Amino acid sequence: AQSVAQPEDQVNVAEGNPLTVKCTYSVSGNPYLFWYVQYPNRGLQFLLKYITGDNLVKGSYGFEAEFNKSQTSFHLKKPSALVSDSALYFCAVGEEYGNKLVFGAGTILRVKS
Amino acid sequence: DAGVTQSPTHLIKTRGQQVTLRCSPKSGHDTVSWYQQALGQGPQFIFQYYEEEERQRGNFPDRFSGHQFPNYSSELNVNALLLGDSALYLCASLRQSYNSPLHFGNGTRLTVT
Repeated sequence: AQSVAQPEDQVNVAEGNPLTVKCTYSVSGNPYLFWYVQYPNRGLQFLLKYITGDNLVKGSYGFEAEFNKSQTSFHLKKPSALVSDSALYFCAVGEEYGNKLVFGAGTILRVKS
Repeated sequence: DAGVTQSPTHLIKTRGQQVTLRCSPKSGHDTVSWYQQALGQGPQFIFQYYEEEERQRGNFPDRFSGHQFPNYSSELNVNALLLGDSALYLCASLRQSYNSPLHFGNGTRLTVT
């Protein structure tokens, strides 16, 4: 069965600094990996996905993620954080594309000016 | 281009009652999934509908049932409500075989008293 771990409940970063939100996963086959962001009282917004190909995936709003098969990680990164990036971030994994996703518990990102 | 729409946005029910939540997928999408997001947790997969049939199911009791209509819209029904069913219920859609990511609605906040 697939699973996701987001080891940090909260990440604090100063505006303009680089940010990293960590995610590790476990699947029996090839992983399909996703990052979503959630603002208060809203649904989840898609940021980026990894299916196959380049290990560095670029997504929306300047975010990117690095797939590392040996470490089973898929960390979310951004070179320069904005206050408006403050939100709840979820990593998710699927075993077959289009089928169920298993989500992590989420990481709160706080960017301070 | 309308995204995923859900109704109602909020709902208050009493223990033992039944509830129906509704979802219209994003235009062009044919597959609908439902997720339950309890407070402070990541979304958990309930089930997925494609071609009007339940294709996958998560670890939820039979009190949770669903339906997909010919126009791809979907309903989630929960019978014999428990206090623990209080959560944000998220509908998500995608188009099979197009590697499109899941698009989420803003959810229905269900409170069981």
